[in-house]
Amino acid sequence: QVQLKESGPGLVQPSETLSLTCTVSGFSLTSYSVSWVRQPSGKGPEWMGRMWYDGDTAYNSALKSRLSISRDTSKNQVFLKMNSLQTDDTGTYYCTRDRGRGYNSRYYFDYWGQGVMVTVSS
Amino acid sequence: VQMTQSPSYLAASPGESVSISCKASKSISNNLAWYQEKPGKANKLLIHSGSTLQSGTPSRFSGSGSGTDFTLTIRSLESEDFAVYYCQQYNEYPLTFGSGTKLEIK
Repeated sequence: QVQLKESGPGLVQPSETLSLTCTVSGFSLTSYSVSWVRQPSGKGPEWMGRMWYDGDTAYNSALKSRLSISRDTSKNQVFLKMNSLQTDDTGTYYCTRDRGRGYNSRYYFDYWGQGVMVTVSS
Repeated sequence: VQMTQSPSYLAASPGESVSISCKASKSISNNLAWYQEKPGKANKLLIHSGSTLQSGTPSRFSGSGSGTDFTLTIRSLESEDFAVYYCQQYNEYPLTFGSGTKLEIK
């Protein structure tokens, strides 16, 4: 049974770095890609970036300068680090399993975690 | 690619049929997915490739369209269908979502 679970601090100070972990089960990180998606309250979701099954990454250009995605396949975990946080980074952060073909953008999200709420505030 | 969803809010009664529109700012072929969001639950993929039902999606859901105009239709609404729905394009980076449609019970 495919499961994804996000974890991390609920509160981050402005200008600091956010670190989140996505722990997956029911599939292998070397067979499937995993994305991070965030959603400010009352707004639509925003795709942040992807960890490919081969260890490569793809990022949303709007966040690329602040964002890093990595993984530990032995622990079935994907990590997100984003620096220089501001109040408009407040929202719910999700990890997703990606489904598609080839090595391109054409992947949708067939499983989602429940999300972790992150508040940026002093 | 900007995704414009309408309406943002929709009220309907069980048994009725509803349609939600999603328009892309440029052609995305059929690289469009629809998701359902409910409180306390993980988001659920309903439809991908514009019209292909994900395994487990009830047949009362259908998707149509290609290019720039897409529609999600739900026939004979059931109580479990009242939720928020999002469209998402995956034709090109960055992957982008619509702003959502909240479907409420009338």
